[in-house]
Amino acid sequence: TQLLEQSPQFLSIQEGENLTVYCNSSSVFSSLQWYRQEPGEGPVLLVTVVTGGEVKKLKRLTFQFGDARKDSSLHITAAQPGDTGLYLCAGDPADSWGKLQFGAGTQVVVTP
Amino acid sequence: DAMVIQNPRYQVTQFGKPVTLSCSQTLNHNVMYWYQQKSSQAPKLLFHYYDKDFNNEADTPDNFQSRRPNTSFCFLDIRSPGLGDAAMYLCATSTTRQYQETQYFGPGTRLLVL
Repeated sequence: TQLLEQSPQFLSIQEGENLTVYCNSSSVFSSLQWYRQEPGEGPVLLVTVVTGGEVKKLKRLTFQFGDARKDSSLHITAAQPGDTGLYLCAGDPADSWGKLQFGAGTQVVVTP
Repeated sequence: DAMVIQNPRYQVTQFGKPVTLSCSQTLNHNVMYWYQQKSSQAPKLLFHYYDKDFNNEADTPDNFQSRRPNTSFCFLDIRSPGLGDAAMYLCATSTTRQYQETQYFGPGTRLLVL
């Protein structure tokens, strides 16, 4: 079983600050997905990265897939209270069909 | 428009009393998944259906069963809930079981076992 480790586990910042969340593994993934989950709701897909070294931007969110496709990062610029949530990364193993392996998530709290 | 619907959103049951959680989808997707998510933990896949083909994860307890009577509906049955089964249960769907396939999640059902 490939393990995805997310860091930090918890992050509390003030509105306007920047933050970065990391997702690391020793295994290779054919793709990696980032989800945001709000309290009492299911995860919502933010982005899928598939190519080593790929960078995708979604407004103030920047996602990067490592060159070796073993790790990824999510950077939020000028965080807003609406960015509060649990950020989950999920990897699509390179050696099996699309059965996602989830990390435990990073809880982000942005205070006004 | 809701695409993956889970009912109920909150379920309280007693220790050992069978409970059924429901999931329906309007996406006409072939694959439906059930995940268990405990507090501060990653969602854990319990099983999935690829069309009518049931696929159980090796470490899913026998206490958990599933039914998929048609494309739109999938049920999670917990035969004898224990205190350790209290969790958020997430249903998800995808078009196929391909690489990079997006999974669409429902809002979840939070189960409390008394």
